[in-house]
Amino acid sequence: QQQVKQSPQSLIVQKGGISIINCAYENTAFDYFPWYQQFPGKGPALLIAIRPDVSEKKEGRFTISFNKSAKQFSLHIMDSQPGDSATYFCAARGVNFNKFYFGSGTKLNVKP
Amino acid sequence: EADIYQTPRYLVIGTGKKITLECSQTMGHDKMYWYQQDPGMELHLIHYSYGVNSTEKGDLSSESTVSRIRTEHFPLTLESARPSHTSQYLCASSAGTGDTNEQFFGPGTRLTVL
Repeated sequence: QQQVKQSPQSLIVQKGGISIINCAYENTAFDYFPWYQQFPGKGPALLIAIRPDVSEKKEGRFTISFNKSAKQFSLHIMDSQPGDSATYFCAARGVNFNKFYFGSGTKLNVKP
Repeated sequence: EADIYQTPRYLVIGTGKKITLECSQTMGHDKMYWYQQDPGMELHLIHYSYGVNSTEKGDLSSESTVSRIRTEHFPLTLESARPSHTSQYLCASSAGTGDTNEQFFGPGTRLTVL
């Protein structure tokens, strides 16, 4: 059973546009929600993260929106650039065991 | 740039061979993890360790085994490789303290079993 569901599977955005990736979870025991960015041939790298007591977190062009009641969170990339083209994974951390559960990934392609 | 290393980066091997995927980190992290990642799919936790001589199986059943004799080293071994083991294997580590417990990932080993 997939603990974290991510959509869309792939996304094409024009340069300067907004990229939006959505994730949903069921387990209310999750306590930390990171987003990872992965380029081909590389391991995932932490992009931005949020805790469930905060509804929004912004770092530069990247914003996480968190809806605790709906058990959903999303990544918004403003002014998307070709260099943002990568695969993005959302994740959730189990509070008791510090294990992370990952979404299935979204392949983002930003067209110049 | 995270100081976590994996070797080999690519491995093509025949069925039945024994292989060891190496993972090492120089950050002194207590927690280390192995994930299996198929193309276009999520990362599945197959093994984790909270410290020396501590290893646990993850949520995805795996025929591989791990050991943690030294803090910085967390090798994964397959006694008899099969085509079903073809995948990308990612190693990660985290400090295990503090509020965020960020995971740092290595570059991965892409394994192909013929």
